[in-house]
Amino acid sequence: EDKVVQSPLSLVVHEGDTVTLNCSYEVTNFRSLLWYKQEKKAPTFLFMLTSSGIEKKSGRLSSILDKKELFSILNITATQTGDSAIYLCAVDYGGSQGNLIFGKGTKLSVKP
Amino acid sequence: ETGVTQTPRHLVMGMTNKKSLKCEQHLGHNAMYWYKQSAKKPLELMFVYNFKEQTENNSVPSRFSPECPNSSHLFLHLHTLQPEDSALYLCASSQDWSGGPQPQHFGDGTRLSIL
Repeated sequence: EDKVVQSPLSLVVHEGDTVTLNCSYEVTNFRSLLWYKQEKKAPTFLFMLTSSGIEKKSGRLSSILDKKELFSILNITATQTGDSAIYLCAVDYGGSQGNLIFGKGTKLSVKP
Repeated sequence: ETGVTQTPRHLVMGMTNKKSLKCEQHLGHNAMYWYKQSAKKPLELMFVYNFKEQTENNSVPSRFSPECPNSSHLFLHLHTLQPEDSALYLCASSQDWSGGPQPQHFGDGTRLSIL
């Protein structure tokens, strides 16, 4: 059965800390892995990863994929209170279009 | 503003009512999706449309009926729902995948409550 497992499920840190969020997966036909940030409304797209070992970076956020070990990490450096959100990992498991299977998410709380 | 607009934002309905959720995307995409997000459960893919054709129905009960009249609009018709159908329903869109994987962009969702 295809599945995506995120850890930890929740995390509390203080401003300025660095955090690492984990996503492991088992899917029959991997094509891509995506990270989203969800505050109160729409999940907003962060990264899409298709190749192992190539880091994607956007400001204080970065992510990398390991297709051999079947996992990805999302790093956030110098965290701010505005980083508080649920971070969702999703994997495309095949089909004609983007058929995504999501993990349960990691709830990040950044304290001032 | 995400470029994907969903209406209504909130909906309360009885189990015997018929209602529809609407999604419109302004991003020039060709693929559209419906997801269900329940408390403490992962986002679940319901339906996928590509160039107005349904390409995926993820074992969704027939009380949910999608409609895609064109690449910019997607509807979810609701009929005789159950209390366990209360959830946040999210619409997403993306470019078609003919050129490879594409990220999906989400609307703010419709919060549905079944009485």
